[in-house]
Amino acid sequence: ETGVTQTPRHLVMGMTNKKSLKCEQHLGHNAMYWYKQSAKKPLELMFVYSLEERVENNSVPSRFSPECPNSSHLFLHLHTLQPEDSALYLCASSQEGLLSTDTQYFGPGTRLTVL
Amino acid sequence: AQKVTQAQTEISVVEKEDVTLDCVYETRDTTYYLFWYKQPPSGELVFLIRRNSFDEQNEISGRYSWNFQKSTSSFNFTITASQVVDSAVYFCAPIPRGNTPLVFGKGTRLSVIA
Repeated sequence: ETGVTQTPRHLVMGMTNKKSLKCEQHLGHNAMYWYKQSAKKPLELMFVYSLEERVENNSVPSRFSPECPNSSHLFLHLHTLQPEDSALYLCASSQEGLLSTDTQYFGPGTRLTVL
Repeated sequence: AQKVTQAQTEISVVEKEDVTLDCVYETRDTTYYLFWYKQPPSGELVFLIRRNSFDEQNEISGRYSWNFQKSTSSFNFTITASQVVDSAVYFCAPIPRGNTPLVFGKGTRLSVIA
């Protein structure tokens, strides 16, 4: 596998479910990101990890919980979501983290629907 | 405050036409980076180009070309001889000052009709 991969590609869940989104990068990068893309809204940065440490959290509700066990893997744990959380969730990676101008490379996204 | 504007919400062209997507980045910073990304219907954001504010040379890559003019804060993207596979949403995104994340605008939806 090359680049940035995300699983699952599609997810439908109820408001009481707990699920996790997975992202893996095969680029040897040190930083990883979670973005949310809702219909008709600009991409919103949710979390940034640099060398497995969270360096940015843009006031995201606690029902979203990120985890970065190593520099190649990033998870987004979901619980008690709301229908308005339905969106495309994109993962990205870059060589260095938040304080850099490095290009971010994106995965294909997970399209989440909350019923 | 910085502001990125892609004034064209949607553009529709016939295949083989040339099309230019506009991007204006208003900032008082002298140092910044600008990116263009393509998002096809599959959803993945595909990196196209990265340009710093000190480099005003035009860039050409196959059918794609970019014109950056610092004096007008514009970083326009032209597709020559458009193809149906060019249909996507295109985002112009700056990194202000190098110490804040990418800022995405609303993008321009391009439809190329056969």
